[in-house]
Amino acid sequence: QSVLTQPPSASGTPGQRVTMSCSGSSSNIGRNTVNWFQQLPGTAPKLLIYGNNRRPSGVPDRFSGSKSGASASLAISGLQSEDEADYYCAAWDDSLNGPVFGGGTKVTVL
Amino acid sequence: EVQLVESGGGLVQPGGSLRLSCAASGFTFSNYNMNWVRQTPGKGLEWISYIGSGSATINYADSVKGRFTISRDNANNSLYLQMTSLRVEDTAVYYCARDTTLSWFDPWGQGTLVTVSS
Repeated sequence: QSVLTQPPSASGTPGQRVTMSCSGSSSNIGRNTVNWFQQLPGTAPKLLIYGNNRRPSGVPDRFSGSKSGASASLAISGLQSEDEADYYCAAWDDSLNGPVFGGGTKVTVL
Repeated sequence: EVQLVESGGGLVQPGGSLRLSCAASGFTFSNYNMNWVRQTPGKGLEWISYIGSGSATINYADSVKGRFTISRDNANNSLYLQMTSLRVEDTAVYYCARDTTLSWFDPWGQGTLVTVSS
C-alpha cells in the first residue's frame, strides 16, 4: 500500500489532454513539493516534473504539474503514443523522514 | 553522459545476504548524494536508503533498517548496498539514483533484480 494515492489507470486518444491525481496528507504533499516520474515499459523511472511544476531540460512542455493543499496533479496535453507509460508521484514525508511514492497511474493511448 | 549501472542482483535464499553495486560515470560522483530505491509489482516504488556525498549522513527506511547497509567509495565512483537477513518481501528490482540540487532521484540506473526464494 503506497503512502500517496494515485488512480491505477488513465487513458486518452492522441491529441487529447489527460490528467491524473496524487493525493497525500499534511506530512507529505501538504508541506513539501511534489516530483513526478515517468516509467516507459521495460525501463527505469525518469524524472518528469520537480518542485511541483518545473520541467527538467528535455521534457516537453506538454507535461505540466500542479499542487493544491495535500493533492497534486499531472497533465499531459496533446497526448502522443510515446506517452504510454506509468507515472509516479513522490514527495518528502516529514513523519517518515524520507521520500514516499504513489502507486502509479498507467496511461494508455487509445 | 551521466550513467549509473547496478550489478550484483540474483537469487538468494531467505536469511541470506547479497551485495549490490552501482558504478557511476559522467559526473563528479563525490559531489552528489545517492540513494537506493526498489520496485516490486505489489508495493510499487519504495525508497530504502540515502547516503550523503561524504558518507556523513545515512538514512534507511524502517523496512530495511538494521538489515541493509549503504556505503560508497568516492575514489572508485561506486555505491554499495549490503543486504543481510533477506526476506521474501525484499524481492524487487533495486535501483540506484542520484540526488541533485533540484531534485532527488535524477537519474536512475537500469536496475538489478533481487529474488529471495527457497
